[in-house]
Amino acid sequence: DAKTTQPPSMDCAEGRAANLPCNHSTISGNEYVYWYRQIHSQGPQYIIHGLKNNETNEMASLIITEDRKSSTLILPHATLRDTAVYYCIVRVDGSQGNLIFGKGTKLSVKP
Amino acid sequence: DSGVTQTPKHLITATGQRVTLRCSPRSGDLSVYWYQQSLDQGLQFLIQYYNGEERAKGNILERFSAQQFPDLHSELNLSSLELGDSALYFCASSASGGHPRSNQPQHFGDGTRLSIL
Repeated sequence: DAKTTQPPSMDCAEGRAANLPCNHSTISGNEYVYWYRQIHSQGPQYIIHGLKNNETNEMASLIITEDRKSSTLILPHATLRDTAVYYCIVRVDGSQGNLIFGKGTKLSVKP
Repeated sequence: DSGVTQTPKHLITATGQRVTLRCSPRSGDLSVYWYQQSLDQGLQFLIQYYNGEERAKGNILERFSAQQFPDLHSELNLSSLELGDSALYFCASSASGGHPRSNQPQHFGDGTRLSIL
């Protein structure tokens, strides 16, 4: 599975959009991009995933560049409850077993 | 609420002891995954079961074992416990788990916090 690079931390003002970047320059054609977040010591929460098209759900939007070497998770209106560690993971379609979690980005939403 | 239930939430025991952690997957999910999260190692995959059979193995110690029962719940058994086994243990489930072109996400429970004294 391809490795990902994320900034260790980011700040965002409450009510503003939070844009979290992820680089995955070695991604291959059958690897999906997944985003999870972990609030304090709770279990990781699935947010969204995609292959090459942009995706949107009730939680966030995922923008994947045309060359698929990077992506951005967008939380459109961040709240204090969005403060968490956000993990970008690339995973082979249909692969078994593990999600490989890196260190993620610690997002702090401030009033 | 992810729909994945883990019990107990907290467990305190001593070195050398054995414990069992329990996981009930989301309704309809056939795959169960176990992960360990310690302060210095981050989230590490341990093992996966799919419909009762072991499907993938990660960095699981020989002192640890798991199984998935016919009703699809899973148990993680940790024996000869050491101080370094203190960690959060998470269970996740997904609808898929090895079939081609199955990219169903994993959904995590809230974990069991294991403290070894």
